[in-house]
Amino acid sequence: GNSVTQMEGPVTLSEEAFLTINCTYTATGYPSLFWYVQYPGEGLQLLLKATKADDKGSNKGFEATYRKETTSFHLEKGSVQVSDSAVYFCALEDRGSTLGRLYFGRGTQLTVWP
Amino acid sequence: DAGVIQSPRHEVTEMGQEVTLRCKPISGHDYLFWYRQTMMRGLELLIYFNNNVPIDDSGMPEDRFSAKMPNASFSTLKIQPSEPRDSAVYFCASTERGQGAGELFFGEGSRLTVL
Repeated sequence: GNSVTQMEGPVTLSEEAFLTINCTYTATGYPSLFWYVQYPGEGLQLLLKATKADDKGSNKGFEATYRKETTSFHLEKGSVQVSDSAVYFCALEDRGSTLGRLYFGRGTQLTVWP
Repeated sequence: DAGVIQSPRHEVTEMGQEVTLRCKPISGHDYLFWYRQTMMRGLELLIYFNNNVPIDDSGMPEDRFSAKMPNASFSTLKIQPSEPRDSAVYFCASTERGQGAGELFFGEGSRLTVL
């Protein structure tokens, strides 16, 4: 089946520190991969995506590379800011299934201190 | 453009009462999803619609839960009777076939507390 496993939180960092949030997946087909972010009191919003192997998604200084050989899509940012404090969700969409039918990881809470 | 609009934002009710959550998707979107978020289980897909027709309701936990989409601009999720274990944040999301892969647009959620 389809599933996503991401590192347990919470993650606490100082401003300007390097961030990595690990994500691995299991998929029956050839998935597209996503990172969503949820700021306090808000709904989820798409942060970045990659639709094929070796693609790199990037947005707002965050990056993630689709690694088919390791079935991974780790999220990285070189220098985090206090405003990056949020919950981050890794997700996959199996292209053989319904458009928008996403499988989410459990989420990783990130807190950045000034 | 207005995003996905959900109401109410917060609902506190007593066990046994009926709860109705509402969602207005983004105009032109033909897919609508209801998700539930809890600390214990994370994000769970409850049901989704395509062109107002329910496609997969296998995530609906029990017969106490029902969802409808009478037209392209409105959907409801109803719980009757409600139980304390239904306490969660319920999200509605929409998308369209012309949108990029996997890009769902989420509402701000309805936080339900059942006492």
